Parts: sequence; structure tokens; C-alpha cells
Amino acid sequence: AQRVTQPEKLLSVFKGAPVELKCNYSYSGSPELFWYVQYSRQRLQLLLRHISRESIKGFTADLNKGETSFHLKKPFAQEEDSAMYYCALSGEQGGSEKLVFGKGTKLTVNP
Amino acid sequence: DVKVTQSSRYLVKRTGEKVFLECVQDMDHENMFWYRQDPGLGLRLIYFSYDVKMKEKGDIPEGYSVSREKKERFSLILESASTNQTSMYLCATAWAFNQPQHFGDGTRLSIL
Repeated sequence: AQRVTQPEKLLSVFKGAPVELKCNYSYSGSPELFWYVQYSRQRLQLLLRHISRESIKGFTADLNKGETSFHLKKPFAQEEDSAMYYCALSGEQGGSEKLVFGKGTKLTVNP
Repeated sequence: DVKVTQSSRYLVKRTGEKVFLECVQDMDHENMFWYRQDPGLGLRLIYFSYDVKMKEKGDIPEGYSVSREKKERFSLILESASTNQTSMYLCATAWAFNQPQHFGDGTRLSIL
């Protein structure tokens, strides 16, 4: 079965410090992986997806199939990065596609 | 830009009432989803639909039903609301399952 694990419920860093939000997955096939973000009082929105291999708002995420991880990284955190972050995996299960979300990590960037 | 509109931002209902949550999208997406979002539990899929009149159970369908009579509209129904259904409900749409999902603003539902 597909599973996404975000081991940290809460993560707190200071402005300018590097930040890494961890995401590990369990899936036997080739996964599609996403990071979604929800800023305070805003709707949940896509931040980035592994297939795009792009950097959004300074964030990057690399798919590591050996470690089954898709960690989200930013070298210098900003206060406006404070938000709830969800890792998600799309893959086939039982003949149908499924999208599974992790439980989320709340990032707080302190001034 | 995809627009996903949920009919209410806040809703307060009483135990036992039948509750309807509506979601409308303007992008002609085949797939629509209903999630509930609870602190510490993340997003959990209630139901989804991949076409008009088609529906599939998600991970937590008990106590809920859905209706998709038109492509652009996907309704979530709480047949007899209970206090443990107090939650934030999110609607989403996607062109395909492996494509990004687009979310509405959410409906914060309180069952008293």
C-alpha cells in the first residue's frame, strides 16, 4: 500500500537558517511526488512536483529512490515561508490511481 | 487559472441534520475530490468522482455520500450529522490523478 510519512509535525527555524522538511514514502512502483503548501487563511496549493525539477520560492526537492525520500529544502528560510506543508504521492494501487497525503509539517520561521 | 468554489466558508449545523456541501469548478476537470482536514491527521480522502454520476469511496466514507449530476459540481452530503464530523472540508479537482490538484478555500463545519 502507498504510504507517505512526514516525521515532524512541527518544525521551527530562525530566519536565514536552512530548512529541510522530511518526506519518506512507501510504494513499489514509480511514484509521482508533490509538495503542497497552505499559508495562513489561504487555500492549499501546489508548491512543486518532482517531475518538474524546478525551484519554487527558493524551495527544491529531490526524489531519492534509494532512500525513498522526497525532502523539501531551502537554504535560507524567510518568515513568509511559515505555513503547513504536505507531501503527497500519486501511484497506482489495485488498478486505480490514488493520491495519498502525509499528515503535514507546520513550519514556523522565527524573526 | 482554475477556480474551485465551495459554497460556504463557515457552517454550523445540529446533530442529526442532513448537511450539503457544494463544490463547483470551472476548468472542465474530470476528477473531483472531497477531503477532510484535521490537525495531526492531515488530509483524508472521503470520496472522489472521475466522471459525471460516477463515484468512488475514499479512505473514510462512513457517514458521507456524494452526488455528481453535472461535471462542474460535486456535492458532499452528511446524511445525519454527528459531532465527530466537525472538521474542515476541502474540495479539489484535477485533470488526472497524477496531475496537481486544485483546492477550494474549504468549509469549516461545526456540528453542535
